[in-house]
Amino acid sequence: DAKTTQPTSMDCAEGRAANLPCNHSTISGNEYVYWYRQIHSQGPQYIIHGLKNNETNEMASLIITEDRKSSTLILPHATLRDTAVYYCIVSFMEYGNKLVFGAGTILRVKS
Amino acid sequence: DSGVTQTPKHLITATGQRVTLRCSPRSGDLSVYWYQQSLDQGLQFLIQYYNGEERAKGNILERFSAQQFPDLHSELNLSSLELGDSALYFCASSVGTVRLDTQYFGPGTRLTVL
Repeated sequence: DAKTTQPTSMDCAEGRAANLPCNHSTISGNEYVYWYRQIHSQGPQYIIHGLKNNETNEMASLIITEDRKSSTLILPHATLRDTAVYYCIVSFMEYGNKLVFGAGTILRVKS
Repeated sequence: DSGVTQTPKHLITATGQRVTLRCSPRSGDLSVYWYQQSLDQGLQFLIQYYNGEERAKGNILERFSAQQFPDLHSELNLSSLELGDSALYFCASSVGTVRLDTQYFGPGTRLTVL
């Protein structure tokens, strides 16, 4: 599985968009980008995944660069409840595969 | 609520003891995964079961074992416990039979070894 690099921490004002970057320069052609978050020792929560096209769901948007070497998770209107550790994971993720978690990004949403 | 349940929520025990953690996957999910999260190691994959069979193994100690039963629930057995085994233990489940197999995590069991 490709390695990812994320900033250690970020701050965001409540109501503003939170943009969380992730570098995955060694990603291979059939590896997906997954995002999970963990709120204060709760179980990690799935957010979104993508291969090469931009993706959007009710929680967030995922923007993947054309060369697929980096991506950005966007929380359009961050709330205090979005304060969490956000993990960017690159994996084949087919028919079940382990998730390799890095240190993630601590996102602090402030009022 | 992910649909994955884990019991107990908290467990406090002494060194040298043995404990069993239980996980019930989401309805319809055939794969179960176990992860350990300690302060110094972060979230680490331990083991995966698919429909009762072991599918993948990670950094699981020999003192630890797991199994998945016919009703698809899984148990993680930790024996000869040491202080360093204190951690959060998460179970996740996925369908296991399709591509883009997303894992959904349970709330975890916090194990404290004194």
